Amino acid sequence: EAGVTQSPTHLIKTRGQQATLRCSPISGHTSVYWYQQALGLGLQFLLWYDEGEERNRGNFPPRFSGRQFPNYSSELNVNALELEDSALYLCASSMDAHPDIQYFGAGTRLSVL
Amino acid sequence: AQSVAQPEDQVNVAEGNPLTVKCTYSVSGNPYLFWYVQYPNRGLQFLLKYITGDNLVKGSYGFEAEFNKSQTSFHLKKPSALVSDSALYFCAVRDRRRDDKIIFGKGTRLHILP
Repeated sequence: EAGVTQSPTHLIKTRGQQATLRCSPISGHTSVYWYQQALGLGLQFLLWYDEGEERNRGNFPPRFSGRQFPNYSSELNVNALELEDSALYLCASSMDAHPDIQYFGAGTRLSVL
Repeated sequence: AQSVAQPEDQVNVAEGNPLTVKCTYSVSGNPYLFWYVQYPNRGLQFLLKYITGDNLVKGSYGFEAEFNKSQTSFHLKKPSALVSDSALYFCAVRDRRRDDKIIFGKGTRLHILP
């Protein structure tokens, strides 16, 4: 069984550009979560999607947005990139029946120059 | 608001010795508590969770954690450390009375010295 897959692995952008990160959950999982892991800040919750709806949002500005598609895959969009957006972005998925255990992808390393 | 604290940025333990990684939490209702581990260049892996019942929870790779309600702690333990246990460990909490969002700590880097 395939795990959570994220693409691309690495992404290099310049300040002011837009970045799009993609996530495919484990088959059968309906919830997708996005986290930002910046150096020294641990894991910061970004967004949670379930059944195509945004369930919750972390303390991030509106230029961080996303969506979940009918096949439960998800996109994270970051507009007007700033240098401090450089981080590892992790996606996780969970089954609706087991919301406590999240399965994580390997992440997308975003570098903003 | 719910929160979780990992007071140690790094813990060093000699191979074969017992290890403890500390975690304290704050929630308004009953906590659901978790430990995850992150190996280099990989995502997080679930280790164990406490929902209810026995305060001592056993998880993957020989790890266990003890829920202490009076001290609001959920420390991760292992009787005998292995070099392969070296990784970044995250404690997390979910308050079922709120929005079901999981809050992660900042992580503790565990170094097992050969």
